[in-house]
Amino acid sequence: KAGVTQTPRYLIKTRGQQVTLSCSPISGHRSVSWYQQTPGQGLQFLFEYFSETQRNKGNFPGRFSGRQFSNSRSEMNVSTLELGDSALYLCASSLGDGNGYTFGSGTRLTVV
Amino acid sequence: QKEVEQNSGPLSVPEGAIASLNCTYSDRGSQSFFWYRQYSGKSPELIMFIYSNGDKEDGRFTAQLNKASQYVSLLIRDSQPSDSATYLCAVGRGRGSTLGRLYFGRGTQLTVWP
Repeated sequence: KAGVTQTPRYLIKTRGQQVTLSCSPISGHRSVSWYQQTPGQGLQFLFEYFSETQRNKGNFPGRFSGRQFSNSRSEMNVSTLELGDSALYLCASSLGDGNGYTFGSGTRLTVV
Repeated sequence: QKEVEQNSGPLSVPEGAIASLNCTYSDRGSQSFFWYRQYSGKSPELIMFIYSNGDKEDGRFTAQLNKASQYVSLLIRDSQPSDSATYLCAVGRGRGSTLGRLYFGRGTQLTVWP
């Protein structure tokens, strides 16, 4: 059974650019969450989607947006990149059976 | 007040010892509790979850939950060098299909030395 797939694995962008990260959840999982992980802040919640609806949103500026498609795949977009956006972006999916979230390998974003 | 707090560590134990990791949470209505392990450079991996007060055992791992004290812990028996990682405590207000977002602690770094 395939796990949570995130693409790309690594990304280098310049300040001011925008970026789109992709997440394919485990087959059958309808809940997808996104987290930002940095050494200084730990895991910070970005969004949570269930059946194409955003159910929860973290305290990030409007430059951070996301969406979920009918096949449960999800994307997140960051516009007008800042140096502080450099982080590991993690996607996690859940079946909703009480067994928690499974994380993907993450996308390492570096903003220069 | 932070939602989820963990003993900051780092924690260092000899091989074969019991490692004890602790976590407190602020929301008394929390229903779901998880322990994730994260090796350096890797993503978090779920190792235990618990919903009811008491103990839950899985191999060398035991999760303990005390909702009255808003406290959850993870015991690792017969610790091995391969257990060396950062352990993240996560708490959810929902459960099952309504689990929603998780609140993570900052993690406790565990080192098991041979």
